[in-house]
Amino acid sequence: GAVVSQHPSWVICKSGTSVKIECRSLDFQATTMFWYRQFPKQSLMLMATSNEGSKATYEQGVEKDKFLINHASLTLSTLTVTSAHPEDSSFYICSARPPGHLFKDTQYFGPGTRLTVL
Amino acid sequence: DAKTTQPPSMDCAEGRAANLPCNHSTISGNEYVYWYRQIHSQGPQYIIHGLKNNETNEMASLIITEDRKSSTLILPHATLRDTAVYYCIVRVGDYKLSFGAGTTVTVRA
Repeated sequence: GAVVSQHPSWVICKSGTSVKIECRSLDFQATTMFWYRQFPKQSLMLMATSNEGSKATYEQGVEKDKFLINHASLTLSTLTVTSAHPEDSSFYICSARPPGHLFKDTQYFGPGTRLTVL
Repeated sequence: DAKTTQPPSMDCAEGRAANLPCNHSTISGNEYVYWYRQIHSQGPQYIIHGLKNNETNEMASLIITEDRKSSTLILPHATLRDTAVYYCIVRVGDYKLSFGAGTTVTVRA
């Protein structure tokens, strides 16, 4: 149990276009999902917290108008990188947090999406 | 959140136990110690967490000192597939995790 998927696993796009990344919890409902970004040889950096049915909470320095997050259901959150530029090229990872007592109160991570902007 | 200190890297032999230290001298009473690992180009994987008692699961054991200022993650029989970056994180709850540099563990045949 506790599987989180992401789609696509990798994407290449042209500068100025928008890219949508999906994060799904496959066997549990996640009221909270998180989006992270990881640049080469660096650690994960939390971008935003996504709560089902409400607006996402963004970390300081993350542009909410550039990284649009939608958490429309208990099993799906999407991250849209709008007007992508080469500096947005990164590894984007989501995680989902199931109801605490069932899974020892922890997060489960997706496999990541590698975005390359040309 | 309490800050953690981990060695940047360590090697261990396949089949032997790997002991990964973590210092968290400023940990507060209600903060848990979490361990995650990230294999290259994959998302992080939860390993184990604990408050003050030692914990064991199918992946690893977590030993927390009595004063809770440090802990050790033990992989009992390391395999080549355990090569990864291991993160020690201290938080009140598993929410908005903050990942440091971690320890790069290389298991050698």
